[in-house]
Amino acid sequence: SYVLTQPPSVSVAPGQTARITCGGNNIGSKSVHWYQQKPGQAPVLVVYDDSDRPSGIPERFSGSNSGNTATLTISRVEAGDEADYYCQVWDSSSDHPGIFGTGTKVTVL
Amino acid sequence: QVQLQESGPGLVKPSQTLSLTCTVSGGSISSGDYYWSWIRQPPGKGLEWIGYIYYSGSTYYNPSLKSRVTISVDTSKNQFSLKLSSVTAADTAVYYCARGMASSGYYLDYWGQGTLVTVSS
Repeated sequence: SYVLTQPPSVSVAPGQTARITCGGNNIGSKSVHWYQQKPGQAPVLVVYDDSDRPSGIPERFSGSNSGNTATLTISRVEAGDEADYYCQVWDSSSDHPGIFGTGTKVTVL
Repeated sequence: QVQLQESGPGLVKPSQTLSLTCTVSGGSISSGDYYWSWIRQPPGKGLEWIGYIYYSGSTYYNPSLKSRVTISVDTSKNQFSLKLSSVTAADTAVYYCARGMASSGYYLDYWGQGTLVTVSS
């Protein structure tokens, strides 16, 4: 089945920019969605269809997708952005199409 | 605002069947736009999509769980349910229900708070 690879951790200082990558074979041909999960809470959708934001999600969260890598970018990072982030795709060509990435822990220094 | 709430036993014995229900409020489960999903997360680990059901009854199941999973829908109660049979300790996880949106794939725009199910004798 399709595999999505994320770095285990990313560290960033407040006010700086965090970039979280999600690698997959020709992922640029698929729609990528991103979720934020804070400790003890359910995941929250922060970006869908590569780069769209649900209502209520700050413009500081943006996404891009090309080639073999999708990226979630968090600008002007705040302490409240510290969380686990998961990418997700639906690979229609697979018998197991609903795939989540391995997850990235974002630490705000 | 759509809300989802999981309910069911927090402790299940090995070899028995795990049963959970998700109650949807703030929207109709019979809307043709959505796919009602179950996802789980073992303690300290990542997310795993268990499957979904459309209001008409069509389903998708994760192939690794397919032989043990049943997802059903009760439109009269605005609920959908998960049954996982022959559970082992490996099925211990937080179980989430969520609403799936169809785009060029599927994504999950509303989630329940999750419920921890422990498999232990």
